[in-house]
Amino acid sequence: EAGVTQSPTHLIKTRGQQATLRCSPISGHTSVYWYQQALGLGLQFLLWYDEGEERNRGNFPPRFSGRQFPNYSSELNVNALELEDSALYLCASRFRDYQGNEQFFGPGTRLTVL
Amino acid sequence: AQSVTQLDSHVSVSEGTPVLLRCNYSSSYSPSLFWYVQHPNKGLQLLLKYTSAATLVKGINGFEAEFKKSETSFHLTKPSAHMSDAAEYFCVVTLRTGGGNKLTFGTGTQLKVEL
Repeated sequence: EAGVTQSPTHLIKTRGQQATLRCSPISGHTSVYWYQQALGLGLQFLLWYDEGEERNRGNFPPRFSGRQFPNYSSELNVNALELEDSALYLCASRFRDYQGNEQFFGPGTRLTVL
Repeated sequence: AQSVTQLDSHVSVSEGTPVLLRCNYSSSYSPSLFWYVQHPNKGLQLLLKYTSAATLVKGINGFEAEFKKSETSFHLTKPSAHMSDAAEYFCVVTLRTGGGNKLTFGTGTQLKVEL
């Protein structure tokens, strides 16, 4: 069974640009979560999508947004990039009704803002 | 509200000696607790989870953790460290009802294993 996949692996942008990160969940998983792992700030919850809708978001500004497609894959968009957006962005998926509640993580996209 | 405190940012052990990574949690409701491991430049891998069944949880690679409600702790242990265990370990809490199952991470413990 294929795991969670993310693309691209690395992304280099300059300040003010937009970045688009993609995530494909494990087959059958309907929920997708995005996390930011920035140096010195640890892992922070960004967004949760389920059945195509945004269900919850963390304490991030509106320039962090995304969507979930009918096939449950997801995009994270970061507009007006700032230097402090440089981080590893992790996507995780979960089968919504699974009582174990665990999330399965992808390898991440390393975003560097110059 | 929920939170996790990992008491040690760095732990160093010799190969073949026991590992103890400490975690305390705070949660208003019955929590689910997890330990994830992250090897350099890799994503997160689930080591083990507690979801209200047995309080002693066994995971992969010989790791185990014990849920102690009275101490609000979920420490991770392994009897004998291996070089391949060197990685960063995250204690994670989530609510088992509601909350969107968003994970709240501890700040991580970097485990170093020396020969």
